[in-house]
Amino acid sequence: DTGVSQDPRHKITKRGQNVTFRCDPISEHNRLYWYRQTLGQGPEFLTYFQNEAQLEKSRLLSDRFSAERPKGSFSTLEIQRTEQGDSAMYLCASSRTWGTGELGYTFGSGTRLTVV
Amino acid sequence: AQSVTQLDSHVSVSEGTPVLLRCNYSSSYSPSLFWYVQHPNKGLQLLLKYTSAATLVKGINGFEAEFKKSETSFHLTKPSAHMSDAAEYFCVVSSGGGADGLTFGKGTHLIIQP
Repeated sequence: DTGVSQDPRHKITKRGQNVTFRCDPISEHNRLYWYRQTLGQGPEFLTYFQNEAQLEKSRLLSDRFSAERPKGSFSTLEIQRTEQGDSAMYLCASSRTWGTGELGYTFGSGTRLTVV
Repeated sequence: AQSVTQLDSHVSVSEGTPVLLRCNYSSSYSPSLFWYVQHPNKGLQLLLKYTSAATLVKGINGFEAEFKKSETSFHLTKPSAHMSDAAEYFCVVSSGGGADGLTFGKGTHLIIQP
């Protein structure tokens, strides 16, 4: 068990460029979540997958944000036409469902995005 | 709907003295409650969690929290602070994960004075 891995750790991009982040969850975890954390705030829920199905995406911040989990394993979060307000830490977490609940909620170390 | 209020944005204590970080929650369902710690430039680490078993929950590094349904509170305590406890602490509520995800409070910055 190597935990939840996120790549890259840091990304600096120019305004208007597209960026993509990757998350590799714990292998036996069927749920995967994306969060955004801005300076001085707690993480904010964006979207989640159960296996390959994206079951909640209404919290994505705008239509510039999209996420995929094509084979139910790793996931990508893409931001198109980045804006300075997108600068934040993007966190991934994974968990395993157990009955009607879930176990083993584990966070990755995050990708810090800076838009200049 | 669920929400979390951390009552103090900053708490400062002397090393060796007790720590109290306050949290109130709101949830439409029987919630699960968590405390996470975040050290600078590090990921979120789970300290402890309440999932409807014992109301007094013991976590790592000597921390514990008590779930009080009547007060909708889940305060975090530690008998004796250590310099390594300096970090950001988040109180978190979940109604079973999934579409609601985890809802985080805004965080309490714990400062340990030597």
